[in-house]
Amino acid sequence: NAGVTQTPKFRVLKTGQSMTLLCAQDMNHEYMYWYRQDPGMGLRLIHYSVGEGTTAKGEVPDGYNVSRLKKQNFLLGLESAAPSQTSVYFCASNTGGKYGYTFGSGTRLTVV
Amino acid sequence: EDKVVQSPLSLVVHEGDTVTLNCSYEVTNFRSLLWYKQEKKAPTFLFMLTSSGIEKKSGRLSSILDKKELFSILNITATQTGDSAVYLCAVEKGNTPLVFGKGTRLSVIA
Repeated sequence: NAGVTQTPKFRVLKTGQSMTLLCAQDMNHEYMYWYRQDPGMGLRLIHYSVGEGTTAKGEVPDGYNVSRLKKQNFLLGLESAAPSQTSVYFCASNTGGKYGYTFGSGTRLTVV
Repeated sequence: EDKVVQSPLSLVVHEGDTVTLNCSYEVTNFRSLLWYKQEKKAPTFLFMLTSSGIEKKSGRLSSILDKKELFSILNITATQTGDSAVYLCAVEKGNTPLVFGKGTRLSVIA
């Protein structure tokens, strides 16, 4: 099925470890986004991309890096994980306006 | 600073009740307001509203936008247990990403 696929779905990290979350979309969307969702906080934007090779900071970018080397993939990296990064991470994509975002199913990350 | 404020934060109703969820916003260069439903995983798209006073409807759900007073409401009639979810409001401004409210958690009990 066409859509947004996130891997992994679950992960437990120790403080200081690094990891990369992968988001892949097969809808040829230009725009891709990484959000985090914490209890009672809604969705907060980490980083986003408006096309291959471009990235920009969102509301809560500290501690994260991103890359968009291919149009269909958007990677979110944590270089040195901290307990404050325990969250559910959602990737989304869209064409840039009319139809809202398509979300992936989320990655639940726990940092101990 | 851009703001999207949803109320109430949580709500418990009985099956068959009608509910109204609220979303107010303060953003520059408003473009559209969107509603999403989030059950256990990814948010799913419900409505996009761009014009004031025009109701969008899908089955038992409907939504309307008031651009003068800067708010939107989402109505659900004859609620069912399957309507239990977090409902998210988001605002699009210019060409920048969506700004989300904190959501309203709706619980429908039999």
